[in-house]
Amino acid sequence: QVQLVESGGGLVQPGGSLRLSCAASGFTFTDYYMSWVRQAPGKGLEWVSYISSSGRTSYADSVMGRFTISRDNDKNSLSLQMNTLRDEDTAVYYCARTSRLRALFDWWGQGTLVTVSS
Amino acid sequence: QSALTQPASVSGSPGQSITISCTGTSSDIGGHDYVSWYQQHPGKAPKRMVYDVIKRPAGVSNRFSGSKSGNTASLTISGLQAEDEADYYCSSYTSSSTFVVFGGGTKLTVL
Repeated sequence: QVQLVESGGGLVQPGGSLRLSCAASGFTFTDYYMSWVRQAPGKGLEWVSYISSSGRTSYADSVMGRFTISRDNDKNSLSLQMNTLRDEDTAVYYCARTSRLRALFDWWGQGTLVTVSS
Repeated sequence: QSALTQPASVSGSPGQSITISCTGTSSDIGGHDYVSWYQQHPGKAPKRMVYDVIKRPAGVSNRFSGSKSGNTASLTISGLQAEDEADYYCSSYTSSSTFVVFGGGTKLTVL
């Protein structure tokens, strides 16, 4: 069955960096776009970024220029490099299998918590 | 402020039906048939319940149904059960640069 397992979250100071990873299994990784979606404490869902199987990327305005999404199709893995972190980046970050056409996130990981605080 | 508007909360008794609305614009819900609904229990990841406005993934109960009229989509849950108590989020494809927009979420309480 489809499994997405995130890692790499933690506590980081404002202005710092963090790299999230997502290990995918149970499906043909190269058939799908992949996304990061985040949820601030007590708040709703916010799409962060997606990447196509060939490496085409897109970002939300709120993270453009600070975050970089990447994937390794040989290792079935997805990453999110987060730089210049701000307090408002504090959230649970989910890795999600994505249908770009449908704007649909059909499988989600369990999430990893990123806390930006001094 | 979320791009799609949902009621903050709805409630119903076991066995009853409830409907959650999700209002957008002609750039998202009104212009495309790509509305999805997600269920999220506390501390858990969201789960896809409905997609393409009306479609249900395998394994999702037929008590969950989606619909759309104009710029408003709806999720109806019939025969409410205690396990349905959760947060529900709608989303839609959008022709704007963000590609997808979410609603702010609706907390369903089963009385």
